[in-house]
Amino acid sequence: GENVEQHPSTLSVQEGDSAVIKCTYSDSASNYFPWYKQELGKGPQLIIDIRSNVGEKKDQRIAVTLNKTAKHFSLHITETQPEDSAVYFCAASIGGNFGNEKLTFGTGTRLTIIP
Amino acid sequence: DADVTQTPRNRITKTGKRIMLECSQTKGHDRMYWYRQDPGLGLRLIYYSFDVKDINKGEISDGYSVSRQAQAKFSLSLESAIPNQTALYFCATSRGQGLKQYFGPGTRLTVT
Repeated sequence: GENVEQHPSTLSVQEGDSAVIKCTYSDSASNYFPWYKQELGKGPQLIIDIRSNVGEKKDQRIAVTLNKTAKHFSLHITETQPEDSAVYFCAASIGGNFGNEKLTFGTGTRLTIIP
Repeated sequence: DADVTQTPRNRITKTGKRIMLECSQTKGHDRMYWYRQDPGLGLRLIYYSFDVKDINKGEISDGYSVSRQAQAKFSLSLESAIPNQTALYFCATSRGQGLKQYFGPGTRLTVT
């Protein structure tokens, strides 16, 4: 099955600086890569996703890049703010084939923004 | 997401007890999932259901069972709870093959 590795496990950045979280996946058939943000006491919330036919996707201060050859994808947060402090999870899935649409999650990155 | 609710939010139980965690959704989604979250291990899939008559085991189903009572309801049971089932449990939903999953607020379960 799919295996997703996520690094780093903890990350502290100064407010206003950029943060980058990286994930690698094992199954070359994976074609859907979402990122989730989990705030304290809440369930994970989807913040951005990318499909394998796209190399990069941006949404305001958040961007995701995908390198299919190397089988890795990254989350980039620019101009970080205190409200960006949370745990972030990457995930991968083989989409489009009935029975295979299950997400495999990384182990999470605790991001702390230092004021 | 308020459209996905879980009850109870917190539960403390003793070893050997049977316990049920419930999930309800008003999103009209056909697919529902149960995950377990442990520190440093991320989210691991316990069971998932693509419709009312479809139940599938995830990667860590041993010691758990589920029931899909209706499209909107998906329950997780621990037949005989053990301490290493102490964890945070999340229910999630998705529509069709969209893969975008929407999570409930979680249930914190402690087995003593």
